[in-house]
Amino acid sequence: DAKTTQPNSMESNEEEPVHLPCNHSTISGTDYIHWYRQLPSQGPEYVIHGLTSNVNNRMASLAIAEDRKSSTLILHRATLRDAAVYYCIRNYGQNFVFGPGTRLSVLP
Amino acid sequence: KAGVTQTPRYLIKTRGQQVTLSCSPISGHRSVSWYQQTPGQGLQFLFEYFSETQRNKGNFPGRFSGRQFSNSRSEMNVSTLELGDSALYLCASSGGAGAKGETQYFGPGTRLLVL
Repeated sequence: DAKTTQPNSMESNEEEPVHLPCNHSTISGTDYIHWYRQLPSQGPEYVIHGLTSNVNNRMASLAIAEDRKSSTLILHRATLRDAAVYYCIRNYGQNFVFGPGTRLSVLP
Repeated sequence: KAGVTQTPRYLIKTRGQQVTLSCSPISGHRSVSWYQQTPGQGLQFLFEYFSETQRNKGNFPGRFSGRQFSNSRSEMNVSTLELGDSALYLCASSGGAGAKGETQYFGPGTRLLVL
C-alpha cells in the first residue's frame, strides 16, 4: 500500500525493547490498524490490532497516535524468535491492505 | 483447532497453463481471503469469499478467479499463466461476520513457479 510506510529494516539486541513505527497518513476514521509478522516459509501471524486507543496483549503493545496517522508496535523484550518481517496493515472494510514491512533482526 | 491448510505447498507450471490452488479454513470460519505475495509488490489482496459469494475483489486481471464451497473450503484458479504470476499465494480465514477489526488467520501458502 503506497499510503503506508515502514522502515525497510531494524535491528535490536536480545532482551531490549523494540519500537517499530508505521505511518498511515491517509487512514480513514473507521479503518482498524493491524500488525502481523511473517517468519521465513510461513504465512503472516497475528500480533495485535486497534482502532483509536493503545492496546496491550501478551505479545506486544500498540501505541496509536491521537490523529491516527501513525502507530508504533512495541515488543517489550525482544527474543531471537521475534526476528521476522513485521507488517502494518490497514483493515479497509473486509480487506487487509499491507504495508511494505520491516525486517527485524535480533542480535544475541 | 486445526489451522488453515493449503494444498499443494509447491507447484511448478509453464506459461499458458492454468492452475488451481486449494484452501481449507479453520473450522467454523466462513470467510476466506486470498493474497499474492511477490518480492516486488509485497502482499496484495486478490479476493474474499463469504457464504459461497465473492464479497470483495482486489485489482487483479480476470485470469484470477476463485470460488467457495458450502463447507467454506475455497479454490483459486489462474488461467493462461504468465511468468509474473510466480509468487506465494496465501489464504486467510476469519469468522466473516463482517465485524470491523476481525482477525484473519493465514495458511502457510502455496509457492507457484511459472517457467
